[in-house]
Parts: sequence; C-alpha cells; structure tokens
Amino acid sequence: ETGVTQTPRHLVMGMTNKKSLKCEQHLGHNAMYWYKQSAKKPLELMFVYSLEERVENNSVPSRFSPECPNSSHLFLHLHTLQPEDSALYLCASSQGDRGPDTGELFFGEGSRLTVL
Amino acid sequence: KQEVTQIPAALSVPEGENLVLNCSFTDSAIYNLQWFRQDPGKGLTSLLLIQSSQREQTSGRLNASLDKSSGRSTLYIAASQPGDSATYLCAVYGGRDDKIIFGKGTRLHILP
Repeated sequence: ETGVTQTPRHLVMGMTNKKSLKCEQHLGHNAMYWYKQSAKKPLELMFVYSLEERVENNSVPSRFSPECPNSSHLFLHLHTLQPEDSALYLCASSQGDRGPDTGELFFGEGSRLTVL
Repeated sequence: KQEVTQIPAALSVPEGENLVLNCSFTDSAIYNLQWFRQDPGKGLTSLLLIQSSQREQTSGRLNASLDKSSGRSTLYIAASQPGDSATYLCAVYGGRDDKIIFGKGTRLHILP
C-alpha cells in the first residue's frame, strides 16, 4: 500500500460508546496530523505528532484522545462523544512539522463519523 | 492571526473554459502554500505546493502562482473538463502562528 490509509471509512456510534480511528502512512514521513472537517467550516487542526511526540494539541476536548505508537501509525480514541462531533476526520502526514522543510501535506480518505 | 480566504465560494463554468481560483492570506511570512482538490466525501488530494521562494508551479493543465507580498495565490485551470468538478482548497503554512491554515474552499462545477 502507498500513501495514507484511514480505517474505518464510516463509523456510527452512540454517545456512550468507545471507538478508535486508525491512520497509517507508508510515505516515510516524520509528522502526522488529525484534522476535523465539518460542513461549511474550514479544516480544523486537532493534533500534530512529530517523531511520535505530540507537538500540538489545538484545544481539543478530552473526549478525543490521540495515540502515536510509532511514526507510521496514528490513532484517535473516541469516548462519550456528542452529536456535534459528527464530522469527517482526516489524517495527514508530512516530511516534517516545522519550518520550510515541512513539505507537502498528504491526506487519507477520511473517516466519516456519525454520533447518535 | 493568519486568515485564508477563497473567493468565490462556488463557481460554475462550461466545459472547455479556462478559469482562475483565488486564495488570499493576511500574513505574508509564510513557508509555503499548497492547493488541494477534494471530491465529495473523500480526502484531500495534493495538487501543487509552492515554496515561499517560488513564484509558480505547474502540473499538467494546472498552474499555481504565488505573490507573497500581496498575500495572494491563484490556481489556473486550462481547458476545464467535467472531471475537474470538485472543491479546491488552499492551505498556507507559516506566519506568526507557525501553523497550516486552510481556506473554506471553492466548489467548482464544470458544466458538460
């Protein structure tokens, strides 16, 4: 496989469920990102990991919990979500996360989350 | 705080026409600017990346220009095709926030 792969593509969960989104990149990049895309709003950066270390947490509620076990994998653990958390969650990767060496941002296909 | 604006929000043009999409940003101290395409319900596909030292980049029928001093970038699409119908987003990296900031996108519809 090449590029950035996200699973599952679609997820429906109740507000009391616990689920996880998975992202895997096969590009040899050092930085990985979680973005949230809601209707009629710009993409919102949630988390940034560089070399498995979280370098940015964009004031995201604690019901979203990221995990980066290695530079190729990124998870977003979900628990006690709200209906307004329904959105498309996009994972991305880049060569670096700072300065002019960041390079291109490559995205996965996204995970469409619906919270009932 | 960096702000990225894309105008128009939506655009419909007949097939075969050349067209220009606009992206403006408020903080010119950027490292790079990237144009993406997004099909409905899908992820973003990178089209072109322009470094701050560059003026333009070309890929096939696409040409992106960057004027850092005026805070503007344009994406030129030549000889448009129905398959070009999608939402086009620009993202700016850098500025005092040192973040990647996205515009809301331009939804393009090419009429057959």
